[in-house]
Amino acid sequence: DSGVTQTPKHLITATGQRVTLRCSPRSGDLSVYWYQQSLDQGLQFLIQYYNGEERAKGNILERFSAQQFPDLHSELNLSSLELGDSALYFCASSPHTGSGNTIYFGEGSWLTVV
Amino acid sequence: GNSVTQMEGPVTLSEEAFLTINCTYTATGYPSLFWYVQYPGEGLQLLLKATKADDKGSNKGFEATYRKETTSFHLEKGSVQVSDSAVYFCALSDLRGGADGLTFGKGTHLIIQP
Repeated sequence: DSGVTQTPKHLITATGQRVTLRCSPRSGDLSVYWYQQSLDQGLQFLIQYYNGEERAKGNILERFSAQQFPDLHSELNLSSLELGDSALYFCASSPHTGSGNTIYFGEGSWLTVV
Repeated sequence: GNSVTQMEGPVTLSEEAFLTINCTYTATGYPSLFWYVQYPGEGLQLLLKATKADDKGSNKGFEATYRKETTSFHLEKGSVQVSDSAVYFCALSDLRGGADGLTFGKGTHLIIQP
């Protein structure tokens, strides 16, 4: 158990809908990351927050957004969903930032868009 | 930009065989290098890491040495077990631009047969 908690574990929704994925980082970790894992794209970095502020953006679509709250939990919002958004979404956390910083992953949220 | 290239597999070995999974990288700065492992139905777990050239990361019988001259971080294990069957991801973290999100390779599916 990494200490990173993600909900829900599985989600099935229809095209055009909006969903919210939730993440609780490890106790004390200030940095939260979101990743998308799909068969064709592999593991893609989406976005990083540090202590409530956006720190870095990766391959995140404009239809997606995220935030980190004062209690450090984070939410990833996915809207106008398309079939191609079906994937495993990982949240990860780390104590701070910096190269060499160990990043701990949750078990992921499986999103299926039908 | 940053990138990681690794053999995709599947790699099928017999129990007690020697394992090598090749990983090479391209980075603009001075990256840290990681191997993560994903067991079926689970999230990613950090296996080992190295933060500077010539460092050797090791864990659970696995080893990898950070070779700057060949931009490589090959994963090795002297005698694999059935329980090592999983997907292995090579990744790097590079602080250039202020972001330390991980860049992953596509993963290598390892199958160990009894």
